[in-house]
Amino acid sequence: AQKVTQAQTEISVVEKEDVTLDCVYETRDTTYYLFWYKQPPSGELVFLIRRNSFDEQNEISGRYSWNFQKSTSSFNFTITASQVVDSAVYFCALYAGGTSYGKLTFGQGTILTVHP
Amino acid sequence: NAGVMQNPRHLVRRRGQEARLRCSPMKGHSHVYWYRQLPEEGLKFMVYLQKENIIDESGMPKERFSAEFPKEGPSILRIQQVVRGDSAAYFCASSPYSGGAWVDTQYFGPGTRLTVL
Repeated sequence: AQKVTQAQTEISVVEKEDVTLDCVYETRDTTYYLFWYKQPPSGELVFLIRRNSFDEQNEISGRYSWNFQKSTSSFNFTITASQVVDSAVYFCALYAGGTSYGKLTFGQGTILTVHP
Repeated sequence: NAGVMQNPRHLVRRRGQEARLRCSPMKGHSHVYWYRQLPEEGLKFMVYLQKENIIDESGMPKERFSAEFPKEGPSILRIQQVVRGDSAAYFCASSPYSGGAWVDTQYFGPGTRLTVL
């Protein structure tokens, strides 16, 4: 069975602070994919990144960066110099092969509030 | 290039009525997924469809819920005889392909917020 844990329910920071959102996953599959999605107050889900299990390189996209560590089964997301527009719910998700087909398993989400 | 379209965005039903939620995938995408987000919870997988086929419905409640993705037209999630516990946001996602050795990213629509009175 697959499981994704986002232990931080809510995080509150002041603009320009750096913030890291944690994601820990569980799967027995050796091939799997990890995703991050953003859900702003308007409610839609926005795709941010995907990473497959064979690629442990960290990735940076502007103020966003992701740290994938198979040894600790973690795929953490860092926002550098946070802005008010980063306020949203962030979801980590896992896809594993086998009979999971297209099913994504989501974490509970982390509510990020960035104060001006 | 239009994204995933869902309608209606908001739907209000009284207990016992039927709810029909529609999803048009992104152009070129032939795979559709439905997820449900209950209040204060993450998204839970419901069903995965390809054109005219249900591939995985392991997340669908056994009764009152059904889904289809016909050859022509949008995918439909149908909830019969709605109850208050069905109140949730229902998201549709699409991808060009899923499964096997390659997994495509699922792109989500804006969701339908269902309120059952």
